[in-house]
Amino acid sequence: AQKVTQAQTEISVVEKEDVTLDCVYETRDTTYYLFWYKQPPSGELVFLIRRNSFDEQNEISGRYSWNFQKSTSSFNFTITASQVVDSAVYFCALSEDILTGGGNKLTFGTGTQLKVEL
Amino acid sequence: GAGVSQSPRYKVAKRGQDVALRCDPISGHVSLFWYQQALGQGPEFLTYFQNEAQLDKSGLPSDRFFAERPEGSVSTLKIQRTQQEDSAVYLCASSLDSAGGHNEQFFGPGTRLTVL
Repeated sequence: AQKVTQAQTEISVVEKEDVTLDCVYETRDTTYYLFWYKQPPSGELVFLIRRNSFDEQNEISGRYSWNFQKSTSSFNFTITASQVVDSAVYFCALSEDILTGGGNKLTFGTGTQLKVEL
Repeated sequence: GAGVSQSPRYKVAKRGQDVALRCDPISGHVSLFWYQQALGQGPEFLTYFQNEAQLDKSGLPSDRFFAERPEGSVSTLKIQRTQQEDSAVYLCASSLDSAGGHNEQFFGPGTRLTVL
């Protein structure tokens, strides 16, 4: 069975600090997909990134970057120069290949609450 | 509308009542998912539709939970004889995928159900 672990329950930083959110996953599949979602106080989950298991290139999008390492089953998320508007709960999620019966339902971690203060 | 909408946004039910939660997915999206999110937890999968077919209901916690999507667009999640442990936010998501795809799921704002 697939599992996602986000060991950091809550992180507090001061604005302009860099912060890394950890995500470790477990799956028996060789083909799978990893996602990050942001859940601001309004409650609606906002998609940030999708990565498939065959693409280990790290990705940068503005202040956001993602580090995918299959060797350690990790898909960590870094926010550079954090801002107050980054305050939210961030979820890492996994979906397995539909051909192996896993469907494309998402298995989420428990989330990391990020608080960015002035 | 442009996004996934859900109604009602908030529902208070007395224990034992039946409730119905509605989801309007993004037009043209083939896949529709329901998730349950307890306070302080990540969303947990309940059920999945591809058009009108319910292909996976493995996450439904009991036979009191029932979901349908009769015309392949709007979906309703029904909970019969609600219990206090059913209190949670119920999230609906839709995706352009048919079988084999893993595009992002677009989530609605959720329905917060409180069972007294």
